[in-house]
Amino acid sequence: EADIYQTPRYLVIGTGKKITLECSQTMGHDKMYWYQQDPGMELHLIHYSYGVNSTEKGDLSSESTVSRIRTEHFPLTLESARPSHTSQYLCASSGRTIGNSPLHFGNGTRLTVT
Amino acid sequence: AQSVTQLGSHVSVSEGALVLLRCNYSSSVPPYLFWYVQYPNQGLQLLLKYTSAATLVKGINGFEAEFKKSETSFHLTKPSAHMSDAAEYFCAVSASGGGADGLTFGKGTHLIIQP
Repeated sequence: EADIYQTPRYLVIGTGKKITLECSQTMGHDKMYWYQQDPGMELHLIHYSYGVNSTEKGDLSSESTVSRIRTEHFPLTLESARPSHTSQYLCASSGRTIGNSPLHFGNGTRLTVT
Repeated sequence: AQSVTQLGSHVSVSEGALVLLRCNYSSSVPPYLFWYVQYPNQGLQLLLKYTSAATLVKGINGFEAEFKKSETSFHLTKPSAHMSDAAEYFCAVSASGGGADGLTFGKGTHLIIQP
């Protein structure tokens, strides 16, 4: 049973469109993360948040933006989608430290930009 | 800087055989180490973690891993493979065990189970 929800699961969209990938969690976690996952590659952190109104860029440069207005909600937005944005996007959340509590992942959004 | 190397992008074993997935890490401080599993069309879930307690760590679904500091390794094993073990496995390292912004993942190993 998932405690962290991502929508949509699959999205095919044309170049230049604005899109928002939704992520919500019901565990009350302060920390939330967005990862980009491509086949045969390590997960790359693109954004994270340690609480409401707090957002930071991860180690992989991304043209996307995020917001954290509510604890449970961490949407990711692409203002103008391009084919290079085609990838799987995974949202995750955690408790105070990953040493003491695991990362919980959503099932991902597979984005294809044509 | 920390890094993770998973040897073998694909590993194939017969059902009932031993599973061994290799992970070597580099870290300037004693690390926190994790194994995550990803089933098709799902997110990742934690299999087990090492946080400086016992060097042999037992996880879910019969998996275990041994932390060997001298070899900088954290290999994942299971005595007898089951068809349901077919998945992608990721090793990860964190120097601080704090937030996941300090977590580095390996490239993953795809485990194939032959009937």
